[in-house]
Amino acid sequence: ELKVEQNPLFLSMQEGKNYTIYCNYSTTSDRLYWYRQDPGKSLESLFVLLSNGAVKQEGRLMASLDTKARLSTLHITAAVHDLSATYFCALAEYQLIWGAGTKLIIKP
Amino acid sequence: DAGITQSPRHKVTETGTPVTLRCHQTENHRYMYWYRQDPGHGLRLIHYSYGVKDTDKGEVSDGYSVSRSKTEDFLLTLESATSSQTSVYFCAISGTSGTDTQYFGPGTRLTVL
Repeated sequence: ELKVEQNPLFLSMQEGKNYTIYCNYSTTSDRLYWYRQDPGKSLESLFVLLSNGAVKQEGRLMASLDTKARLSTLHITAAVHDLSATYFCALAEYQLIWGAGTKLIIKP
Repeated sequence: DAGITQSPRHKVTETGTPVTLRCHQTENHRYMYWYRQDPGHGLRLIHYSYGVKDTDKGEVSDGYSVSRSKTEDFLLTLESATSSQTSVYFCAISGTSGTDTQYFGPGTRLTVL
């Protein structure tokens, strides 16, 4: 059975701190997506990681992919309140297989 | 932003009534999807389409049907709505492959009383 597991599912942190969200998966796919969802809003594509060792960065967010470990990470550097959202990873198989999402609250 | 609209954006209906949600795209993308999002369940795929008149079931298709008679429109129908179908419904589109980046519509909040 295909599985995509995110952890933590909920994270509350202070501004200025660093943290990492983990996305583990159970197949050998080499394409993985990260999305962001603000409360009450739709989902927005953040990153697509296309191969082993891929790293993408935008602002305070950096995503990486390790296909051998079947692991992707989303690292937040010096968090700011505006990054509060729910973050989803999605694995590309014949279609996208979604993680449950990580709700991130960043307190001023 | 990808041109995707959903209608209606909000709907309240009663158990047993039929409901149709519409997704319209202006991007000429081949793939279209319907998801539902519920607390504790993340995103769950209901149905998807890979071309005009070509559709397939997702993981939670029971109680739902879809139709795609034009590239730009994908309809989701609840033949007889139940309270368990109260949810937020998202339409998404992607280009040439089922594993391409998906772009999401604004969502429809459906309440079944």
